[in-house]
Amino acid sequence: DVVLTQTPPTLSATIGQSVSISCRSSQSLLHSNGNTYLHWLLQRPGQSPQLLIYLVSRLESGVPNRFSGSGSGTDFTLTINPVQADDIATYYCQQSRESPWTFGGGTKLELK
Amino acid sequence: EVQLQQSGPEVGRPGSSVKISCKASGYTFTDYVMNWVKQSPGQGLEWIGWIDPEYGSTDYAEKFKKKATLTADTSSNTAYIQLSSLTSEDTATYFCARSGPGCPFAYWGQGTLVTVSS
Repeated sequence: DVVLTQTPPTLSATIGQSVSISCRSSQSLLHSNGNTYLHWLLQRPGQSPQLLIYLVSRLESGVPNRFSGSGSGTDFTLTINPVQADDIATYYCQQSRESPWTFGGGTKLELK
Repeated sequence: EVQLQQSGPEVGRPGSSVKISCKASGYTFTDYVMNWVKQSPGQGLEWIGWIDPEYGSTDYAEKFKKKATLTADTSSNTAYIQLSSLTSEDTATYFCARSGPGCPFAYWGQGTLVTVSS
């Protein structure tokens, strides 16, 4: 199975700060069709997860452009700039390059 | 607007089965794969499997092949997951999630809490 390792597990930030979350895959997520199947989701406390970014860097409709995704192959980054109070959540990376689909362990973003 | 409405919380006795529903609206049900995801209390997300409602084809994570059965009723636009031989390890919130362009988890249901208790 593809293992996704997220760091850090927790992140403390102030409003207006820029933060980044790393996601490293145990194997390349690049498909022969040219797409890289790495996505980012967030889950606010007590809510369902929601899609933020798909295929590494494509912002889901309605997601503010404070969020951005980058990376290739096995190394990926989610950046939030600037952090807002509404961004307090747990963030997960997820791969759909190879079944079984897998998730990273999550990064919990807290306010300082 | 895409909506996925899941059934309410369930309590199941050890060894029994429960069946959760996910009613879809706002799109053509047979056009998209439906996934199911487990979230144990305080834990992360685990993919259980998917079903293609048009053909009834399925794929499961190895760990859930004997635990979960995915079905879909195209007449009512509803996907189902049945969990069998319940143990305390099955206590969790279960989500249905519809695929989208390039991503399996574009839209999510509100989740259904399953509690296994005698």
